[in-house]
Amino acid sequence: GDSVTQMEGPVTLSEEAFLTINCTYTATGYPSLFWYVQYPGEGLQLLLKATKADDKGSNKGFEATYRKETTSFHLEKGSVQVSDSAVYFCALSKSSASKIIFGSGTRLSIRP
Amino acid sequence: EAGVTQFPSHSVIEKGQTVTLRCDPISGHDNLYWYRRVMGKEIKFLLHFVKESKQDESGMPNNRFLAERTGGTYSTLKVQPAELEDSGVYFCASSQRRDANTGELFFGEGSRLTVL
Repeated sequence: GDSVTQMEGPVTLSEEAFLTINCTYTATGYPSLFWYVQYPGEGLQLLLKATKADDKGSNKGFEATYRKETTSFHLEKGSVQVSDSAVYFCALSKSSASKIIFGSGTRLSIRP
Repeated sequence: EAGVTQFPSHSVIEKGQTVTLRCDPISGHDNLYWYRRVMGKEIKFLLHFVKESKQDESGMPNNRFLAERTGGTYSTLKVQPAELEDSGVYFCASSQRRDANTGELFFGEGSRLTVL
């Protein structure tokens, strides 16, 4: 069945470091891909998305490119801030689907 | 505008007891979803309501779980009797659109359930 695999955490970086969180997926057809973020004490919120191959989603300095040839959707940010500390979930969904399929989440901690 | 609210935020019960979780979606959102995250693993889909009807309940683990959405407003998820493996965080989400592939679901903070 369809699934999402993302790098295990926790990931700890210093402020202004470069961030990559790897995500790969297995799915038939052409899913939409997402990154969700859960900040402490809050619900999950959509960070960015890409709906077709080679699309780049971006938001708040984060970027991810839909790579069909490698079935990947890695999350990147050039310079992280303490406020980026959160749990990040990679996810996919198919057209007309009721459900979103999530990865296991990666906890990110940024040191000042 | 109020977001998705869930109650309780944390519940600790003993194996065999009953727990009821409540979710209030964003006003006007016909679509309501329940998800669960167990032991830091992936967040798994449980079910999807469109108004008061169950659109997809393929993720419900077994018949100890009962979800209702009377009147198409708030929803409850009852676990009876609770087992140890039911421990986890239960998320509720709502959306205006029926299709999940826009990703535009609004999630609550989750209800943490601990079964001892």
